[in-house]
Parts: sequence; C-alpha cells; structure tokens
Amino acid sequence: GNSVTQMEGPVTLSEEAFLTINCTYTATGYPSLFWYVQYPGEGLQLLLKATKADDKGSNKGFEATYRKETTSFHLEKGSVQVSDSAVYFCALSDQSGGSYIPTFGRGTSLIVHP
Amino acid sequence: GAGVSQTPSNKVTEKGKYVELRCDPISGHTALYWYRQSLGQGPEFLIYFQGTGAADDSGLPNDRFFAVRPEGSVSTLKIQRTERGDSAVYLCASSSMTGRGKNIQYFGAGTRLSVL
Repeated sequence: GNSVTQMEGPVTLSEEAFLTINCTYTATGYPSLFWYVQYPGEGLQLLLKATKADDKGSNKGFEATYRKETTSFHLEKGSVQVSDSAVYFCALSDQSGGSYIPTFGRGTSLIVHP
Repeated sequence: GAGVSQTPSNKVTEKGKYVELRCDPISGHTALYWYRQSLGQGPEFLIYFQGTGAADDSGLPNDRFFAVRPEGSVSTLKIQRTERGDSAVYLCASSSMTGRGKNIQYFGAGTRLSVL
C-alpha cells in the first residue's frame, strides 16, 4: 500500500534561515505528490504539488522536486518568515478507482522565531 | 459560500451518545471527503462521495460510523454510541472533477470532537 514518511518536528528556526522538511514515500503506482500547510485554527491548504518525475512544485517561496529515484519530495525554502509557522503535511495520491484519495504523512510542525 | 464550512467547530459529548457533524462544501464541487485527524497524526481517510453516492467508504472504522449526502451538496457524518477513542478532529474536503482545480482538495477547518 501507499505510505508517506516525514521528518519529525518540531523544526525550530530563526527568521531568514533555510528550511528543509524531508518527505519520502512508498507507492504501488505512479502517484502525484503534494505539500499541504495547516496554519493554527485553519484547515489544510494545498501549498504545492508535482505530478511526474523531476517536476518542481513551487509556491510562496517554497519548492519541492519529485525525485522518483529516491522516492522523495523534500520541501525547501530559502528564507523563512515568522508567518510560515504552521504544520506541513506531505501527501501522495494516485487515481484509484477514479478517486484521488490522498495518503498523508504525520505532519511536521515549523516554528519560526523573530 | 467561499470555502468549505464545517459545523460545529467543537463538540463535546458523553460516551455512548450520538453525534452528527456537518460539512457544507464549495458550491459546485461534486466530490466530498471525510477524514479523521488524531493528535500528532496526518488526516486519515474515512469516506468519499461522488455526488450523492458513497464511492468509497473503506476508511470507516466500524459500523458506528455512517455518512450521507442526500442532495449531493451538504454531508453529515454520523457517529453512534460514541467512544472515548472517537475523540479527534474530523475534517471535510471537497473538490471539483473538472477545470484547473481538478482533484485539488479544499479543506474545512474541522470539527473537534471530544468524547468524555
């Protein structure tokens, strides 16, 4: 079956530091990969996605590259801000029976200090 | 509305009671999903609707859990004889099956259920 493994948090950084949150996956098919972000008190929001090998998803300064050879989709940002403090979820989905039900990782909490 | 709306935002109940959780999806979204999120975990799939019908209910943990979507819009998740282990945040998401936003899930803020 499908599974997603994320690095455990919390990740604590100072403002303007470089961010990496590791994500690796196991899938029986050829999935699409996603990063979702959950700000305090809000629902999950799609941050970025990639649908095939070597695709790079990017949004709000965050990037992640679909690496089929290492089954990874690590999230990076060059300079974090306090407003980036949130929980980040890596997820994958494949079209199983016509649906795109994602499998989520456990989430990684990011705390950015001024 | 503009986004996915879930009510109530918080629900406290006693063990053995019946609860209903409501999800109002984005207008026009035909796909609707329910998830359960326990503390420190990612969302766990429960059930998926395409229109009025449950296309996949393989994630429902047992027969105490049931969900309906009678008119293809609002959905209700129903939990009978609640147990303390049912305490979690219940998330709803909807998606369109067409257009640029195809298959992108939009989540509500969730209902935090506490079973005492």
